[in-house]
Amino acid sequence: KAGVTQTPRYLIKTRGQQVTLSCSPISGHRSVSWYQQTPGQGLQFLFEYFSETQRNKGNFPGRFSGRQFSNSRSEMNVSTLELGDSALYLCASSLGSPSGEQYFGPGTRLTVT
Amino acid sequence: SQQGEEDPQALSIQEGENATMNCSYKTSINNLQWYRQNSGRGLVHLILIRSNEREKHSGRLRVTLDTSKKSSSLLITASRAADTASYFCATDGPNAGGTSYGKLTFGQGTILTVHP
Repeated sequence: KAGVTQTPRYLIKTRGQQVTLSCSPISGHRSVSWYQQTPGQGLQFLFEYFSETQRNKGNFPGRFSGRQFSNSRSEMNVSTLELGDSALYLCASSLGSPSGEQYFGPGTRLTVT
Repeated sequence: SQQGEEDPQALSIQEGENATMNCSYKTSINNLQWYRQNSGRGLVHLILIRSNEREKHSGRLRVTLDTSKKSSSLLITASRAADTASYFCATDGPNAGGTSYGKLTFGQGTILTVHP
């Protein structure tokens, strides 16, 4: 079974721009969660989608948004990029039960200059 | 903010030795998971232990969970150079009486270096 894929793997953007990251979950998984990883804050939960609905949201500003498509693929968007948004963005897929195992993709490394 | 704290922050051992990492958390949980991350790449799921379990094994891995102390430990036996990575514990909470869909709360991780 193919794992979680994320595109692009690396991205360089300028302050003020916006960016869209994509995540394709493991076949059969209907839940996709997004995380931001930085050296200072560690791994932090952004949001979770299940069957095209956002079920949970972390403590991030509204510049961070996401969506999920009918095939369970998910995208996250960050608008008006700030230098502090530079991070590794990870998505994880699962079957969707509240306490299930999550399987992570390789991440997208975003650098904001 | 992080739910858990892990210690030690860094651990350096020789191949063949055992490595033990500890994790503490603050709120009630349904389960606790351990993940490995190699140099800024994605996380690899290692093992999940449910709140009603006390110990679980998977190959060279042994995980214990003490819900009364809100702590867990990961033991890697007979370590190999390939085990060099960061190890994270993650809890499925905080559980405030309801579910917390899709949200894992991670510790800061332990950096393990295994010297050949």
